[in-house]
Amino acid sequence: EAGVAQSPRYKIIEKRQSVAFWCNPISGHATLYWYQQILGQGPKLLIQFQNNGVVDDSQLPKDRFSAERLKGVDSTLKIQPAKLEDSAVYLCASSSWEGGYEAFFGQGTRLTVV
Amino acid sequence: AQRVTQPEKLLSVFKGAPVELKCNYSYSGSPELFWYVQYSRQRLQLLLRHISRESIKGFTADLNKGETSFHLKKPFAQEEDSAMYYCALRPYGGSQGNLIFGKGTKLSVKP
Repeated sequence: EAGVAQSPRYKIIEKRQSVAFWCNPISGHATLYWYQQILGQGPKLLIQFQNNGVVDDSQLPKDRFSAERLKGVDSTLKIQPAKLEDSAVYLCASSSWEGGYEAFFGQGTRLTVV
Repeated sequence: AQRVTQPEKLLSVFKGAPVELKCNYSYSGSPELFWYVQYSRQRLQLLLRHISRESIKGFTADLNKGETSFHLKKPFAQEEDSAMYYCALRPYGGSQGNLIFGKGTKLSVKP
């Protein structure tokens, strides 16, 4: 089956600029997650969607991060303005009830803020 | 606080040697525990989960609630086992993707 698709794979921006990441989950997966993985750390959940509704965004820095999942399929994660500490890999994952809720991860977007 | 600890950043063994990747967790309830693996240039993927009680690629992990541990073991390491391994916890009642990860252990299996 096709996996979770993310773009771009790499992005370099200057601090205070804005950036957006895109994720296309596995077809039929109702649940979508965005994780942030800083170098040397494990992934940390930023936001979880169930269809197009937000289930958990308790760890999302809402003053600069935003995410949406229009129509309950694709999702975008935006950072505005970016800070140096936002340099990380941003992982998208999706899961479904039929799949036993196993989380399938995308390749990630590596963001470097300079 | 919910936390997953992997005390070793790097574990290096020779091919054919036994491997044990340590994982300890802190959680007040009954969590679900998982091991995820990331091979070089590949995406993060599920290796095994404690509720399945299965052996995947020769790896097993037993949940020890008394010691709050979920160590990953393999009796004879292979070079293709070299990868980053992450232990993860899912709080009771959370959906499967809502995971709390440890910092990971890099396993290097030398020929």
